[in-house]
Amino acid sequence: DVKVTQSSRYLVKRTGEKVFLECVQDMDHENMFWYRQDPGLGLRLIYFSYDVKMKEKGDIPEGYSVSREKKERFSLILESASTNQTSMYLCASSLFGPGWNEQYFGPGTRLTVT
Amino acid sequence: AQSVTQPDIHITVSEGASLELRCNYSYGATPYLFWYVQSPGQGLQLLLKYFSGDTLVQGIKGFEAEFKRSQSSFNLRKPSVHWSDAAEYFCAVGALSGNQFYFGTGTSLTVIP
Repeated sequence: DVKVTQSSRYLVKRTGEKVFLECVQDMDHENMFWYRQDPGLGLRLIYFSYDVKMKEKGDIPEGYSVSREKKERFSLILESASTNQTSMYLCASSLFGPGWNEQYFGPGTRLTVT
Repeated sequence: AQSVTQPDIHITVSEGASLELRCNYSYGATPYLFWYVQSPGQGLQLLLKYFSGDTLVQGIKGFEAEFKRSQSSFNLRKPSVHWSDAAEYFCAVGALSGNQFYFGTGTSLTVIP
């Protein structure tokens, strides 16, 4: 089974802090994704990566950056956390083409910024 | 522009009753269509997917979905709902030529005894 793990299930940070969310997949998938999930808005893509050190912006990249130094690991960085970044963050991976291949999701990190 | 619409924000059904969750999409290319389920506190799990061929696809947990190109729809169905089916359901669309998925806003399902 594909396994996607996220470093924390729950995280509480203060406004202005730098926040790192880590995601690891164990199936040698090419593509990795970061989404945020908010009630009534569904899943919105923040960034995705199709190879090591390669990334593309999604629909809502403002206030976020990402890092993919190894194939299995994809990090989401909030440079200066703000209260409007309080949300559920979901990481996903897929073997092939992001547009058509099924994605496997981690359990999510619920981030609260106070 | 690509989009996915799930018109029902919340649905309540009785255990044992049939279920249909609606999904409409707008996509220029040939769509790849997916249904995912999210149980409380969990990530998303793939229920089923449609790429081509038979327009009625079977998935896990007794779910099925039918692709209707003329209606731009991909509705999810289950003949008899179980209490454990209570969850949030997401429809998603992608394409071979594209590089993104588009998720609907989700339908929350409540199952009453």
